[in-house]
Amino acid sequence: GNSVTQMEGPVTLSEEAFLTINCTYTATGYPSLFWYVQYPGEGLQLLLKATKADDKGSNKGFEATYRKETTSFHLEKGSVQVSDSAVYFCALDSGGYQKVTFGTGTKLQVIP
Amino acid sequence: NAGVMQNPRHLVRRRGQEARLRCSPMKGHSHVYWYRQLPEEGLKFMVYLQKENIIDESGMPKERFSAEFPKEGPSILRIQQVVRGDSAAYFCASSEGIAGGRNTGELFFGEGSRLTVL
Repeated sequence: GNSVTQMEGPVTLSEEAFLTINCTYTATGYPSLFWYVQYPGEGLQLLLKATKADDKGSNKGFEATYRKETTSFHLEKGSVQVSDSAVYFCALDSGGYQKVTFGTGTKLQVIP
Repeated sequence: NAGVMQNPRHLVRRRGQEARLRCSPMKGHSHVYWYRQLPEEGLKFMVYLQKENIIDESGMPKERFSAEFPKEGPSILRIQQVVRGDSAAYFCASSEGIAGGRNTGELFFGEGSRLTVL
């Protein structure tokens, strides 16, 4: 079945540091890949997505590239801010009638 | 507000009572998911529904839990005879169906219903 593996958290960074959150997946076919973000006390919201190999999703300074050869979709940001503190979830959708599969989430804490 | 609406936002129940959580998907969305999130933990899939059909309930406990998404009205997650371990945030998400009834993958989440069992 489909699965998503994320790096363990929490991740603590100083403001303006470089961020990488690793995500690898197992799926049949050619899934679409997503990053969702959950701010404290809120529901998840879509951060970015990529629908085919080599696509790069980007939003709010965050980027992730769909790497089929390494089955990865790592999230990166060049300079994090305190306001980026949240939980980040990697997810995949293999289409058809299967459910969207989420990773366990990685908590990011950015300190001033 | 055309987003996913969940209610109640907060619900307190005593052990043995029933909890009903409601979710109105975004307008035009015909797919609904329910997830459970325990404090400081990830998102656990419970059930995936389309209108009048349960597509995947592999994440839902066999006893005390049920879900429906009727032709008219919101999706309901029902927990009977609640226990303290049911205390969690329950999130609903919806997605748009495409040709053939499949989902598009992008989910829109509600703000969650936080259940506390005393």
